[in-house]
Amino acid sequence: QVQLVESGGGVVQPGGSLRLSCAASGFTFSSFVMHWVRQAPGKGLQWVAFIASDGSHKYYADSVKGRFTISRDNSKNTLDLQMNGLSAEDTAMYHCVRALKGSCSSTICFSYYFDFWGQGTLVTVSS
Amino acid sequence: DIVMTQSPDSLAVSLGERATINCKSSQSVLYSSNNKNYLAWYQHKLGQPPKLLIYWASTRESGVPDRFSGSGSGTDFTLTISSLQAEDVAVYYCQQYYSTACTFGQGTKLEIK
Repeated sequence: QVQLVESGGGVVQPGGSLRLSCAASGFTFSSFVMHWVRQAPGKGLQWVAFIASDGSHKYYADSVKGRFTISRDNSKNTLDLQMNGLSAEDTAMYHCVRALKGSCSSTICFSYYFDFWGQGTLVTVSS
Repeated sequence: DIVMTQSPDSLAVSLGERATINCKSSQSVLYSSNNKNYLAWYQHKLGQPPKLLIYWASTRESGVPDRFSGSGSGTDFTLTISSLQAEDVAVYYCQQYYSTACTFGQGTKLEIK
């Protein structure tokens, strides 16, 4: 069965860094685009970043652009999120999410709907 | 970015009654070349990850009960639960995937009256 298992969350000081990982199994990882979506305490869902199925295109929310980096290793079926310059506003549950692959060209790639979500890993930014 | 706005923010409905949640996008999410609306609905229960209910605005995901239905086109969409069950208590989100920044609505909390 499809599984997405996130790890790497924890408590980090403001300005610090953290690397989240997601281990995928039960499906052909390289056929899907992958996203990170977060939910701050008491707030709604916020899309963070997505990466094309072959890693060729990456997109970020404005709130994390320049600080977060999404990456994937299709040989190991893993998805990562490197988070630098963390602030209290980044405190949230971070979900690894699978999505259907949309149309892709050399310049742009699209994702379709999100069909499977991991349980999430909690990131707390606090001094 | 495309802004998704849901209404109401919260909703209390009696068991067996109809629940209706609305979603409005700041620009059309209808892709003219394939006539598809790039709009999905998710159900998020406490302590669980979100679950896909509806995609392409009106296509029910496999295994989702047929009391859930989606409608609308362009910028205005609706999720309807025809006969509310106790297990439907959750927060519901709409989401557009028309753009590379896949934005969500703020969520609608559905409770039993």
